[in-house]
Amino acid sequence: GAVVSQHPSRVICKSGTSVKIECRSLDFQATTMFWYRQFPKQSLMLMATSNEGSKATYEQGVEKDKFLINHASLTLSTLTVTSAHPEDSSFYICSALNQLAGGGTDTQYFGPGTRLTVL
Amino acid sequence: SQKIEQNSEALNIQEGKTATLTCNYTNYSPAYLQWYRQDPGRGPVFLLLIRENEKEKRKERLKVTFDTTLKQSLFHITASQPADSATYLCALDSSASKIIFGSGTRLSIRP
Repeated sequence: GAVVSQHPSRVICKSGTSVKIECRSLDFQATTMFWYRQFPKQSLMLMATSNEGSKATYEQGVEKDKFLINHASLTLSTLTVTSAHPEDSSFYICSALNQLAGGGTDTQYFGPGTRLTVL
Repeated sequence: SQKIEQNSEALNIQEGKTATLTCNYTNYSPAYLQWYRQDPGRGPVFLLLIRENEKEKRKERLKVTFDTTLKQSLFHITASQPADSATYLCALDSSASKIIFGSGTRLSIRP
């Protein structure tokens, strides 16, 4: 149980185009999802918190107009990298919060990641 | 400033030995701490969670300790195997269900 998928797994695009990445929780509902990016040999950096039915909350230094997040349902969040540039090339990972019954500690389940390369 | 440090970027261990990874944090008061495994080009996989009121947690060959006085967690893999080779990340909760990751330790188990 608690499977999170991401699509696509890899994408190569030209500079100036927009790219959409989907994150789905397959067997549970997630009111909250998170988007991270990871550069080679570095840790995951939280970009934004995506809440179903409301605006995403962005971390300091992350441009909300460049990284558009939509969490339209309890199982789907999308990240759109607008007007992508080579410096946006990175590994983007989403996670979905599986809130345990009885007020227990929430656990995040991560997707397999999307490798974005901007030429 | 707030920091999470995994003080070994890389660790090489002989198969069969116990691997011990360290995670230290400063200026956080986490309610829990988690350990994840990440293989190259893949997302992290949750391994264990330990709460602030727990000193030790075990799962098969894995053991985690949590010392809130030292602000440190240790992650042990006993009877290590080459298949355990991966990057291991510690993470703690900061606020509003957000978790912050350490930089990871790349563990290599040689046959």
